[in-house]
Amino acid sequence: GENVEQHPSTLSVQEGDSAVIKCTYSDSASNYFPWYKQELGKRPQLIIDIRSNVGEKKDQRIAVTLNKTAKHFSLHITETQPEDSAVYFCAASRGTYKYIFGTGTRLKVLA
Amino acid sequence: KAGVTQTPRYLIKTRGQQVTLSCSPISGHRSVSWYQQTPGQGLQFLFEYFSETQRNKGNFPGRFSGRQFSNSRSEMNVSTLELGDSALYLCASSLGQPNEKLFFGSGTQLSVL
Repeated sequence: GENVEQHPSTLSVQEGDSAVIKCTYSDSASNYFPWYKQELGKRPQLIIDIRSNVGEKKDQRIAVTLNKTAKHFSLHITETQPEDSAVYFCAASRGTYKYIFGTGTRLKVLA
Repeated sequence: KAGVTQTPRYLIKTRGQQVTLSCSPISGHRSVSWYQQTPGQGLQFLFEYFSETQRNKGNFPGRFSGRQFSNSRSEMNVSTLELGDSALYLCASSLGQPNEKLFFGSGTQLSVL
C-alpha cells in the first residue's frame, strides 16, 4: 500500500549547522511532495513543496531535493536558528486529494 | 481572511459514545480533508470532500464518517468510540485542485476515557 517513511524521528543540531530530513515513498505514481512544519501546539504549515518534474527547489535557507528513481526526497535547512525547532512532516500525493504523511521529525536547534 | 476554524477545541468522551467535530474552511475554499494525528503515527488521512461529495477516503473503519454542506463547512462523526480513537483531529481546506497547499485548522483534541 501507500507509505512514506521518514528519518530520523528526532534530530538535534547546533545553531548555525545544517539539518537534513529524509523521506522515502512507496507509490511510484506520486508526483507532489510537500513539507509541513508544526511548531509546538500549533497547526501544520506548508514550508516548501516540489513536483515530480523538478529535481531541486530552494527558498532562502530551505531546499528540497527529489530522486524519483530511488523514490527519495529530502529537506535541507541551512544555518539553522532556534525558531526552526519544530516537528517537520513530509508527504506524498499522486493527485487524488489524498496526502500520505511521514511520521514526523522533531528538530531541536540548540543555542 | 479568517483561517480554518475547528470546533470544539477539546472533547472528552467515554467509550461507546459518539462525537461530531466541525470544520469551517477558509472563505472560497471548497475542499475539506480530515486527518488523525497521533504521536508516532504522524497524520493519517481520513477523507476528503469537495462540493458535498467525498472524493477519497483513507483506511479507517466505518465508524468514521463525514459530510460536507453546501457552504463547504464539514463535519466528521465517530460512532462507538474506542480508547484508540484518542487523537488530535485536524481538518485542512484548499481550493480543491490536485496537489495544492493545504491550510490546516488548529484541530480538535479528542480524549476517550
